[in-house]
Amino acid sequence: NAGVTQTPKFRVLKTGQSMTLLCAQDMNHEYMYWYRQDPGMGLRLIHYSVGEGTTAKGEVPDGYNVSRLKKQNFLLGLESAAPSQTSVYFCASSLSTSGRAYEQYFGPGTRLTVT
Amino acid sequence: AQRVTQPEKLLSVFKGAPVELKCNYSYSGSPELFWYVQYSRQRLQLLLRHISRESIKGFTADLNKGETSFHLKKPFAQEEDSAMYYCALSGGSNYKLTFGKGTLLTVNP
Repeated sequence: NAGVTQTPKFRVLKTGQSMTLLCAQDMNHEYMYWYRQDPGMGLRLIHYSVGEGTTAKGEVPDGYNVSRLKKQNFLLGLESAAPSQTSVYFCASSLSTSGRAYEQYFGPGTRLTVT
Repeated sequence: AQRVTQPEKLLSVFKGAPVELKCNYSYSGSPELFWYVQYSRQRLQLLLRHISRESIKGFTADLNKGETSFHLKKPFAQEEDSAMYYCALSGGSNYKLTFGKGTLLTVNP
């Protein structure tokens, strides 16, 4: 199993450009998440999905959109990139069940720079 | 609202010394607490969770509900323990994780 993969690994954008980050998992997980990691800020949840066709806002959703058209994929879009979106983006997935939280499995990250 | 506080951004110890990474949380219900670790240029991975009450790589963490803490401890630090450590809390029905800001542990030879 590849686990959680992210595409691309690195990207440089100019202010105002758009792009889509792709996350894929082959573990048949229901839940998927997008985080951003910034120095001194830890990981902050951008959006998450509890199943195919459903998405919800996290802690810092502004400037991002997501889609979960297939269970194994979770896309993060930046419609008009801003320098404040320079960050490392991590995708994660987990099982879902009632009564407890399961381990989240993380992708390798995408390093995005917006100039 | 749920909050996780890791008061130390940086922690430096010598090999063989005990290490304790502090984590305090704020949550009104019954939380589930986790420690995640990120080694240099690697992805985050789960180190341990309070519900399992296990020791991983010599690390342990006990949930203290009275002090709302979940400190990570190891009696004898090794150089390979150098990494970024994140404490995380899950509360509520959607099982989202709230992460602390992380503590960068450096174990010196």
